Amino acid sequence: QQQVKQSPQSLIVQKGGISIINCAYENTAFDYFPWYQQFPGKGPALLIAIRPDVSEKKEGRFTISFNKSAKQFSLHIMDSQPGDSATYFCAASTGGGNKLTFGTGTQLKVEL
Amino acid sequence: DGGITQSPKYLFRKEGQNVTLSCEQNLNHDAMYWYRQDPGQGLRLIYYSQIVNDFQKGDIAEGYSVSREKKESFPLTVTSAQKNPTAFYLCASSIRQVRVQRDEKLFFGSGTQLSVL
Repeated sequence: QQQVKQSPQSLIVQKGGISIINCAYENTAFDYFPWYQQFPGKGPALLIAIRPDVSEKKEGRFTISFNKSAKQFSLHIMDSQPGDSATYFCAASTGGGNKLTFGTGTQLKVEL
Repeated sequence: DGGITQSPKYLFRKEGQNVTLSCEQNLNHDAMYWYRQDPGQGLRLIYYSQIVNDFQKGDIAEGYSVSREKKESFPLTVTSAQKNPTAFYLCASSIRQVRVQRDEKLFFGSGTQLSVL
């Protein structure tokens, strides 16, 4: 049973455009929602994270939007750059804890 | 230079063979994890350990075994019972915090690609 559903599976965006990746969860006990970025042949690295007491968190060009009632959260990458081309994973856990449930990943390609 | 070291980067397993993947960290983290990554399936938790000499099964532990004899090391053995071992294996660690309202960042190694001959 997949508890975190992620879409789209792949995404192509023009340089300077906005990349949007969506995730939906089922477990209402989840209270910590990080996004990880993974480059080919490397392990994922934490990009940005949010807790459900806020609806939005912004760090540079990266923004998480969180909709608790809809049980959805999304990653927005503003002014997308070729260097942002990577696979992005959303995740969720309970108790702000470390046992994360990951989404299936979105492969982003930013074209010139 | 602090971090997580996984070795080898590439590993081949013969039919009926057990193989062990190494994971070492010098971040002084208490918790360590093993994830399996398959195309289109994201990361799935195999085993995790929050303290030395203790570990718990994750979502897909069958066919795998681990040990945690030292804080720095968390090796994963892929046994012959694992019928579909071809995957990218990722080791991670995090600080084990006991207070609530904490956000635990996972630090990942660079992975081991295991293939079956």
